[in-house]
Amino acid sequence: AQSVAQPEDQVNVAEGNPLTVKCTYSVSGNPYLFWYVQYPNRGLQFLLKYITGDNLVKGSYGFEAEFNKSQTSFHLKKPSALVSDSALYFCAVRANTGTASKLTFGTGTRLQVTL
Amino acid sequence: GAGVSQTPSNKVTEKGKYVELRCDPISGHTALYWYRQSLGQGPEFLIYFQGTGAADDSGLPNDRFFAVRPEGSVSTLKIQRTERGDSAVYLCASSLTRLAGGLEGSTDTQYFGPGTRLTVL
Repeated sequence: AQSVAQPEDQVNVAEGNPLTVKCTYSVSGNPYLFWYVQYPNRGLQFLLKYITGDNLVKGSYGFEAEFNKSQTSFHLKKPSALVSDSALYFCAVRANTGTASKLTFGTGTRLQVTL
Repeated sequence: GAGVSQTPSNKVTEKGKYVELRCDPISGHTALYWYRQSLGQGPEFLIYFQGTGAADDSGLPNDRFFAVRPEGSVSTLKIQRTERGDSAVYLCASSLTRLAGGLEGSTDTQYFGPGTRLTVL
């Protein structure tokens, strides 16, 4: 079985400050890891993914994430937060097996960026 | 290009009725997925298709739920005898499934549609 934990329901940060949204995972074998963002009444938008290679992955809108195999973590980061980054963020994992497979999502972390 | 589209965007029905939700994937994407997102939760997997066939339907909650993809493109999620607990946002995603050189498994990203909000009264 595969699972994702996002331990924080909400993260508050001031605009211009760095942000981190935490994610830990459990999966058999090597993981594929993803971050998605969801704005109100919208579907999920893909931000970035880790497949293999460099542990630091860069994605859309200045976001990046660091894969840490020993800690089974994939925390989302941004050096300088914007008010427009306020949204719901989901971490997801899938197993590295087969030709395609389902994503297992965390419960989401609401990011609130204030002026 | 066009993304994943889903219709209707909202559906209100009465308990016991039958509903159909439609998903139109990104053109050329071979894999199609259905997820369900309840309030305050992350999306939960229902079923995925590779071409016309259901490759994994382990997430369907019971036999009231059924999905088809007869021509390998558009998919319809069908719910019989709806219950209030079926109320949720139903999300569809598609991906261009292929094997990365030398790697197991598909690395392709799932792209999501805007969802259909189903309300069962």
